[in-house]
Amino acid sequence: GESVGLHLPTLSVQEGDNSIINCAYSNSASDYFIWYKQESGKGPQFIIDIRSNMDKRQGQRVTVLLNKTVKHLSLQIAATQPGDSAVYFCAENTGGGNKLTFGTGTQLKVEL
Amino acid sequence: GAVVSQHPSRVICKSGTSVKIECRSLDFQATTMFWYRQFPKQSLMLMATSNEGSKATYEQGVEKDKFLINHASLTLSTLTVTSAHPEDSSFYICSARDRKGWTEAFFGQGTRLTVV
Repeated sequence: GESVGLHLPTLSVQEGDNSIINCAYSNSASDYFIWYKQESGKGPQFIIDIRSNMDKRQGQRVTVLLNKTVKHLSLQIAATQPGDSAVYFCAENTGGGNKLTFGTGTQLKVEL
Repeated sequence: GAVVSQHPSRVICKSGTSVKIECRSLDFQATTMFWYRQFPKQSLMLMATSNEGSKATYEQGVEKDKFLINHASLTLSTLTVTSAHPEDSSFYICSARDRKGWTEAFFGQGTRLTVV
C-alpha cells in the first residue's frame, strides 16, 4: 500500500544550528501535509502545515518545503534549541480528506 | 487553540478485563474522531475513524470486536479494549477534526495502557 516514510530515524544537531528533517510520501493524491512534534509520553503537537498547491510555508523558526515532483517534504528548524528535542512526524491527508497517515518519525536530538 | 482531552492518561489492568478510554473535544465539535495506537519508538498507527452517530470505520487488521468505539456525541468518543491481554499494552491516542479536508487534527494527551 501507499505510505509516508522518513529517510533518517535519528538526527543530532548542535544547539543554534539549523535542522532539516525529511519525509518521502508515495500517495500522489495527497493534498495536505502536516508536521507534528511528539515529546515522550505525550500526544503529537501541530507544528506547521502545507497544502499541495504551495511549495513553501514559513512559521516561527520553522519552514516546510514541498516538492510534489519527487514527492518529498521537509521541515527546517532554524536556530535549534534544546526544547526542540522530540520525535517529528510528517502526516499526509488521505482517505478523501478524512484521515491522516503518519510517517515513521525522526528523533531530533539537540546537543549543547 | 482547540483542545482534546483524553482520560485516563495511564491505566493498568488485569488480563481478561476491559478498559475504557475517553476522548473529548473541549471547545469545538468534532465531526470526526480518530484512534491511534503507538508502540515504543514507532509511528502512530490508525486504528479507526469514528463519526458522530454512526459506526466506526476500522483499518485493516484491527479487530472491531476487541476495540469497541462509540462516538455518542460531537464532543465525546470512547475506545473500549475488551478482554485485554498483555499484547494490547500500548500508547493509545485520540485525535479530532472539526471538518474534513485541509485542517489539522488535534490530539489528546494519550493513554498508556499496561495489561498485567
